[in-house]
Amino acid sequence: ETGVTQSPTHLIKTRGQQVTLRCSSQSGHNTVSWYQQALGQGPQFIFQYYREEENGRGNFPPRFSGLQFPNYSSELNVNALELDDSALYLCASSPRGGSMYTQYFGPGTRLTVL
Amino acid sequence: AQSVTQLDSQVPVFEEAPVELRCNYSSSVSVYLFWYVQYPNQGLQLLLKYLSGSTLVESINGFEAEFNKSQTSFHLRKPSVHISDTAEYFCAVSASNTGNQFYFGTGTSLTVIP
Repeated sequence: ETGVTQSPTHLIKTRGQQVTLRCSSQSGHNTVSWYQQALGQGPQFIFQYYREEENGRGNFPPRFSGLQFPNYSSELNVNALELDDSALYLCASSPRGGSMYTQYFGPGTRLTVL
Repeated sequence: AQSVTQLDSQVPVFEEAPVELRCNYSSSVSVYLFWYVQYPNQGLQLLLKYLSGSTLVESINGFEAEFNKSQTSFHLRKPSVHISDTAEYFCAVSASNTGNQFYFGTGTSLTVIP
């Protein structure tokens, strides 16, 4: 059984640029959630996708957007990067979209904005 | 809205000593509770979870946590820690009315001293 994978591992961008992060969900999972983890903080929920539709969103501006594909892989896009966007971005998959389902996390993408 | 408070940001403990990592949550509805562990430069791994039933839940590596509804707590304990337990520990809550979002605490850094 393949776990959650994310690419790239590390990324360096400059302010104002755009970035796309990718995630492959665990086999059999149709729900993907994205989290931002700033240094020394807990993960903050960005949004979740269930069967290719956005299924919940946290307190993040519209320049954070996403997609889920028919194979349940997902992308996180961030436009107009700001210095405060520097963080570890975590993707998590779960077998369903309900609150009782365990989320399984990938290793994350470390984004640095200069 | 839900929130999670981890009362200790850092916990140093000697090897083979017992440890308790504290977690309190705030919610007006039924909750599901999780503990995740994060090793350096890695994603989050599920340690244990409480969904319903017995209030005492155990992990395969000797950790246990007890759901206390009256005190809104879900403290994590281990009777004898090992060097390999050194990591960041996150408590998380999801609720029956949030659907999809996990709320994480700010984490507790456990350092096991030889």
